[in-house]
Amino acid sequence: AQKVTQAQTEISVVEKEDVTLDCVYETRDTTYYLFWYKQPPSGELVFLIRRNSFDEQNEISGRYSWNFQKSTSSFNFTITASQVVDSAVYFCALSDGNSGNTPLVFGKGTRLSVIA
Amino acid sequence: DGGITQSPKYLFRKEGQNVTLSCEQNLNHDAMYWYRQDPGQGLRLIYYSQIVNDFQKGDIAEGYSVSREKKESFPLTVTSAQKNPTAFYLCASKAGKVTEAFFGQGTRLTVV
Repeated sequence: AQKVTQAQTEISVVEKEDVTLDCVYETRDTTYYLFWYKQPPSGELVFLIRRNSFDEQNEISGRYSWNFQKSTSSFNFTITASQVVDSAVYFCALSDGNSGNTPLVFGKGTRLSVIA
Repeated sequence: DGGITQSPKYLFRKEGQNVTLSCEQNLNHDAMYWYRQDPGQGLRLIYYSQIVNDFQKGDIAEGYSVSREKKESFPLTVTSAQKNPTAFYLCASKAGKVTEAFFGQGTRLTVV
C-alpha cells in the first residue's frame, strides 16, 4: 500500500526565514510520481511540482526548491526567504506509475504560517 | 478557460436528506476523482473514475454514490447514510498516469 507522511502538522516562521517541509513516502512500486500542492485559504489545491521516481535531480524554481532522495524515501520542500503569501497548507502526494490513472495518495498536510 | 468547476461553493443540508455536488471539467481528461478534506486529515479518496461509465470506490466510499455518464461530468451524491457529511469536498481530474491532477475550488457541505 502507498502512504505519505508529513510529520509536521504546523510550522510558524518569521518572514524572510527559510523553511523546509518534510515528506516521507512508502511504496512498493518501482515507478511512481511525487507531487507537492499548495492550498491557500481559498481552498483550491495549486500544483507546484511533479517528480518521477527515476529523476533524483533536485529542482529549484525561484524561492522554491525540492530535494528528492530515494535512499530515504523523502521528497522535501524548501522555501527560501519566506513571505506572508506563502502561508498555506502544503500537501505532498504520491501516485503509482504503472497502472492507469490511479488516484493520488496525499499526506495530511503541513500548515505553514509566515508572520510579518 | 479550461478547468474544473464545482458547484455550489457552499451547501447546507438537513439531516436525512441526500444532496448532490456537481463537478464539471472541460480539460478533456479521462480520469476524475472525489476527495474529502477534514481538519487535520488531509485528503481522503471517496470515489474515482478512469473512464466514462466506470468508477471505483476509494477509501471512504460508504454513504456516497457517483455516476459518470459523460466524460466531463462526475457528480457526487452524499446520501443520508453518510453519518458525518460535514466536510470540504474537492473534485479533481487527470489527463494521464504521468500527469498531475487539477482541482476544482471545492464545495463546503454543512449539515444543519
